[in-house]
Amino acid sequence: ETGVTQTPRHLVMGMTNKKSLKCEQHLGHNAMYWYKQSAKKPLELMFVYSLEERVENNSVPSRFSPECPNSSHLFLHLHTLQPEDSALYLCASSQDLRQGSIVKNEQFFGPGTRLTVL
Amino acid sequence: TQLLEQSPQFLSIQEGENLTVYCNSSSVFSSLQWYRQEPGEGPVLLVTVVTGGEVKKLKRLTFQFGDARKDSSLHITAAQPGDTGLYLCAGNEAWLSGANNLFFGTGTRLTVIP
Repeated sequence: ETGVTQTPRHLVMGMTNKKSLKCEQHLGHNAMYWYKQSAKKPLELMFVYSLEERVENNSVPSRFSPECPNSSHLFLHLHTLQPEDSALYLCASSQDLRQGSIVKNEQFFGPGTRLTVL
Repeated sequence: TQLLEQSPQFLSIQEGENLTVYCNSSSVFSSLQWYRQEPGEGPVLLVTVVTGGEVKKLKRLTFQFGDARKDSSLHITAAQPGDTGLYLCAGNEAWLSGANNLFFGTGTRLTVIP
């Protein structure tokens, strides 16, 4: 199943580098999400876009900058990261509530980008 | 912030055994989802339960949503090595703005030994 793809799958970067993570969904969904998954912590929601508008930003540091140019693509721009930002970054998509069922909204995840900050 | 606690955190069993994983919260959710995640991959949706008391079966997996829609359980019968993975529950909070928000549990890491 390649409904949600993410590139790169692995990324090693220094604290002064600038890089971007890319997510693409082929499911016809209108909402996209960025999550951070660290060891021993629940999945943390970072950003939500619904119909290309940012809906939620859960107090994420400004060194993470999302971009959603259209409903199929989502980027996460990274700059001056810290070693504690090393984690698995997951992208997900879902059907926007305004066009589908309110209750049974389900998110579909990409394989993630394993990020290591040196 | 809604908190979903899963228990046990780790579980290692022999092939053929039965097991139950629990997901508990003090919050009420419009629906609850179970995911399984394998190393190096994203979570894969297994099931969504919507109605309080609802029971859903997926082959050897049985999912139940609590009557009050605050908790859920996952029961696996005759576990197989292919069931090994991280099991995550997620409570769904639907926003009026459009996209829904999932609050993920702490996870249960299951290992099934052949």
